Amino acid sequence: NAGVMQNPRHLVRRRGQEARLRCSPMKGHSHVYWYRQLPEEGLKFMVYLQKENIIDESGMPKERFSAEFPKEGPSILRIQQVVRGDSAAYFCASSPWGGNTEAFFGQGTRLTVV
Amino acid sequence: GIQVEQSPPDLILQEGANSTLRCNFSDSVNNLQWFHQNPWGQLINLFYIPSGTKQNGRLSATTVATERYSLLYISSSQTTDSGVYFCAVDEGTSGSRLTFGEGTQLTVNP
Repeated sequence: NAGVMQNPRHLVRRRGQEARLRCSPMKGHSHVYWYRQLPEEGLKFMVYLQKENIIDESGMPKERFSAEFPKEGPSILRIQQVVRGDSAAYFCASSPWGGNTEAFFGQGTRLTVV
Repeated sequence: GIQVEQSPPDLILQEGANSTLRCNFSDSVNNLQWFHQNPWGQLINLFYIPSGTKQNGRLSATTVATERYSLLYISSSQTTDSGVYFCAVDEGTSGSRLTFGEGTQLTVNP
C-alpha cells in the first residue's frame, strides 16, 4: 500500500515562473491537505480539499496560489509568478475521511526560487 | 486559533539516554499527532493520540486531554532518533487541519 506520493521531490524555478506541485493521496483516501514549511519554521496549514471541492483555503496566500483536486488524477498546488519568498518545503497529507482521523504525509516538494 | 507549545526547543543526548518531550495546547482538541522529521526532511508519523497512552517499540506517548498536554517518551535513544519532533493538533471536527508546534530539535550523539 503506497503512501502519499509527491512529485517532484525538488523543484527549481526562476522568479516569475510557475510552479506545479503534485500529490497523489494514499489509496482509499479522498481528503487532501497542503502545508508549507518555510526555512527553520514549523508547518503551516494552507488548504483542505476533497475530490472536486475546496473545503477550507484559509491558509492560502490571497494571490498567486491555487489548489485543485480533480475527479481523476492527483491534487495540484499551483504557484504563479514565483518569488524568492515562496522557497519552502511543501507537504501534502491525506486522510480517509473528513472526521477526526490520522493524516499521513508525503515526503514533500522542496521548491527553490532563484 | 489554538496555540501549541513544545518543550524543550533543543535537546542533546548521549546514545542510550531517555528523554521526554512535552506538547501543551491552549484548547480542547479532537486530533493530536506526533511526527518525526528526519535530517532528510521526511515527516514520519509516530502517533495518532488525541487521548490515552500508546507505545511503539522504544517510543511511547501519553495525552491528557483534560489538562491539555501530551508527552512523547523516547527510551534508549539512538543516533537515528535525531531530528525534529513535532506535535500537531486539530480542534475541529471536520477534516484533519493540523496546527503544528515549533518542534523539539533532538540530537543524539554516539
